[in-house]
Amino acid sequence: KAGVTQTPRYLIKTRGQQVTLSCSPISGHRSVSWYQQTPGQGLQFLFEYFSETQRNKGNFPGRFSGRQFSNSRSEMNVSTLELGDSALYLCASRRAMNNEQFFGPGTRLTVL
Amino acid sequence: GENVEQHPSTLSVQEGDSAVIKCTYSDSASNYFPWYKQELGKGPQLIIDIRSNVGEKKDQRIAVTLNKTAKHFSLHITETQPEDSAVYFCAATQDGRDDKIIFGKGTRLHILP
Repeated sequence: KAGVTQTPRYLIKTRGQQVTLSCSPISGHRSVSWYQQTPGQGLQFLFEYFSETQRNKGNFPGRFSGRQFSNSRSEMNVSTLELGDSALYLCASRRAMNNEQFFGPGTRLTVL
Repeated sequence: GENVEQHPSTLSVQEGDSAVIKCTYSDSASNYFPWYKQELGKGPQLIIDIRSNVGEKKDQRIAVTLNKTAKHFSLHITETQPEDSAVYFCAATQDGRDDKIIFGKGTRLHILP
């Protein structure tokens, strides 16, 4: 059974640009959550999607947005990139609420 | 805001010995406490979890204890092996509420041969 896949794995952007990251959940999983991981702030929740609807949102500015498609694949977008957005962005999927989350390997974003 | 403190930040133990990582949480509404293991270049992997209606849970060499009154929970790894070397994260949240999840800062565990 394939795990959670994230593309691209590495990305370099410059300040002011925008970026789109993609996540394909495990087959049959309808919930996708996104997290940001940095050395300073650690792991922080960004948002969660379930059946194409945003269920929960973390405490991040509006520059961070996401969406989920009918096949449960999800994308997150960061506009007007700042140096502080450099991080590992992790996606996790679960079959349903209260089930175990499975994380992908992450996308390493570097903002120059 | 709510917080989860994790100690120690780094831990080195001899292969075969036990390792203990401790976390303290502040949100009284937290009722679900997962532990994750993250290896280099990979995403976190759930290794064990505990809910607030249980005081202890064990899975082979790994155990977790929870003291809800003191808001403490701990991870115990016995008979450590080289493949246990990784970063371990604790977290506290409300079941089904990822927006409430607070992670500890992580413990880098080194297993010495």
